[in-house]
Amino acid sequence: GPKVLQIPSHQIIDMGQMVTLNCDPVSNHLYFYWYKQILGQQMEFLVNFYNGKVMEKSKLFKDQFSVERPDGSYFTLKIQPTALEDSAVYFCASSPGLGVSAETLYFGSGTRLTVL
Amino acid sequence: SQWGEENLQALSIQEGEDVTMNCSYKTYTTVVHWYRQDSGRGPALIILIRSNEREKRSGRLRATLDTSSQSSSLSITAAQCEDTAVYFCATDLDNYAQGLTFGLGTRVSVFP
Repeated sequence: GPKVLQIPSHQIIDMGQMVTLNCDPVSNHLYFYWYKQILGQQMEFLVNFYNGKVMEKSKLFKDQFSVERPDGSYFTLKIQPTALEDSAVYFCASSPGLGVSAETLYFGSGTRLTVL
Repeated sequence: SQWGEENLQALSIQEGEDVTMNCSYKTYTTVVHWYRQDSGRGPALIILIRSNEREKRSGRLRATLDTSSQSSSLSITAAQCEDTAVYFCATDLDNYAQGLTFGLGTRVSVFP
């Protein structure tokens, strides 16, 4: 089936550094999402991105977070600067549309971010 | 919170047994999704059930939905070791503008 690729699978950085998480969504999808999952907890929505803009974001999407997808390349999540509480697995997802056509979100395998 | 009590968070069963997990939600939804997440992987949709359906089957999976009590269940018949995973129910908020809202999940371990 359609695949969402995330690079890298693991990232370890020092607190205060910048990190960029990369996602290659399904090719004909238009809506992109980032979710955050702390070990043993539920996945939580961070942000929804469409047509070059953030559509919706949650309170977890702090000012230090930003997303972009320049010229149809990777959909990225950048955290600058990172904090200890940013340690989690970040999942990218994509869907062809909203509403009925969004009924299936395709998720990547996640990037495990460890902030030391 | 979108979610009520998670009825069970961890289940261990033997191969061949049936297993049922439940979830309840607080906010009206038109669709309940069930995802499974294997260790080290992202969630994958396994079945979804709409508000006009009381039951939905897919292979050994059976989902039910009771909109009056705002609860859904997922059953696996004759579980196999490869069914070992965490199973999440999820609903949409605001017509998927925020994607899906996931419950805490139920970890199912199937032993030979």
